[in-house]
Amino acid sequence: NAGVTQTPKFQVLKTGQSMTLQCAQDMNHEYMSWYRQDPGMGLRLIHYSVGAGITDQGEVPNGYNVSRSTTEDFPLRLLSAAPSQTSVYFCASSYPPGHNSPLHFGNGTRLTVT
Amino acid sequence: DAKTTQPPSMDCAEGRAANLPCNHSTISGNEYVYWYRQIHSQGPQYIIHGLKNNETNEMASLIITEDRKSSTLILPHATLRDTAVYYCIVRDSFTGGGNKLTFGTGTQLKVEL
Repeated sequence: NAGVTQTPKFQVLKTGQSMTLQCAQDMNHEYMSWYRQDPGMGLRLIHYSVGAGITDQGEVPNGYNVSRSTTEDFPLRLLSAAPSQTSVYFCASSYPPGHNSPLHFGNGTRLTVT
Repeated sequence: DAKTTQPPSMDCAEGRAANLPCNHSTISGNEYVYWYRQIHSQGPQYIIHGLKNNETNEMASLIITEDRKSSTLILPHATLRDTAVYYCIVRDSFTGGGNKLTFGTGTQLKVEL
């Protein structure tokens, strides 16, 4: 199994450009989520999904859109990139909360907005 | 989800046990304690989790106090490769609330020769 796959690994954007960060998982997990991590800080939740067709906002959703048309994919869209969105983005997936539902993380997308 | 408090950094000699504490005094009865670690800039890696009993796996042991207000992650024989940031989080076991995880700044563990 590949686990959680994020593409691209690195990306440089100019202010105002748009792009989509891709996330795919092959573990049939219902839950998927996006986090951002800034230097010296922990992970902050951007958006999450509890299943196909269902999404909700996390702690820092402004400037980002998500959709969940399939169980496997959960893309994160930046509509108009800003320097404040320079960060490392992690996608995670899991089974629904319960006894044995650890999050599985991808290896991240490093985004720089100039 | 309950918030957690961890020391910002700890040092440990290679081969010795590393004991990483976590305070989660507002934890509720349906919340599990999970531990993850992040090596350099990789994605966080799951280590272990528990509800109220002590747990052990091939990576570590988790000791949860009887009142569940704190826990300790134990790496029995730390190696240089265990140098990482360790995160303690609590996760609601109920659908809908269990995906809003709060990651603090974690504990930077440095294992030295």
